[in-house]
Amino acid sequence: QKEVEQNSGPLSVPEGAIASLNCTYSDRGSQSFFWYRQYSGKSPELIMSIYSNGDKEDGRFTAQLNKASQYVSLLIRDSQPSDSATYLCAVNMEGGGNKLTFGTGTQLKVEL
Amino acid sequence: DADVTQTPRNRITKTGKRIMLECSQTKGHDRMYWYRQDPGLGLRLIYYSFDVKDINKGEISDGYSVSRQAQAKFSLSLESAIPNQTALYFCATSDLSGTDNEQFFGPGTRLTVL
Repeated sequence: QKEVEQNSGPLSVPEGAIASLNCTYSDRGSQSFFWYRQYSGKSPELIMSIYSNGDKEDGRFTAQLNKASQYVSLLIRDSQPSDSATYLCAVNMEGGGNKLTFGTGTQLKVEL
Repeated sequence: DADVTQTPRNRITKTGKRIMLECSQTKGHDRMYWYRQDPGLGLRLIYYSFDVKDINKGEISDGYSVSRQAQAKFSLSLESAIPNQTALYFCATSDLSGTDNEQFFGPGTRLTVL
């Protein structure tokens, strides 16, 4: 079964620190990768997408992809209390018919 | 105004009742999806549709049915609700011609089956 794995957390970081969230996936042929942020009781919000090996930066967020090692990560610089949420990793797996497979999410807590 | 809307936002019903959840979008996207979310289990795909004439089962379609009434509307039905269908339900859309399957979610429907 094709899977996407995330540590459920909670991951606690102090305000202003870098938060590092990780995700591994089982399908080596996967082509596109997404990070969603979800506040409690709210819908997932797309914050980053990445398709090529390496880093992609958008403001305080950096997505990192390593297809050889089958992992994708999200770095949040200068973490703020408002970043406290669950972060979902999603993967469009090869042969998945353009469907996304979601991890169960990592809960991030940014402490004052 | 929200691009993807869901109605109702909250619903409490009894076992055996028929329930319909509705999703509408103004994004002009071709593809629509229904997910349920349960604590610890993440988002699981129920049904998806790539155009009005295309309906596909997802990971957990048993006990559910869908209707794609128009490009902009995709409804999820529970023919005879049972308590383990209590969950948060999300509709999502993506664009056939857009970036590789970026999906955008509606606000969700919290369904409780007693």
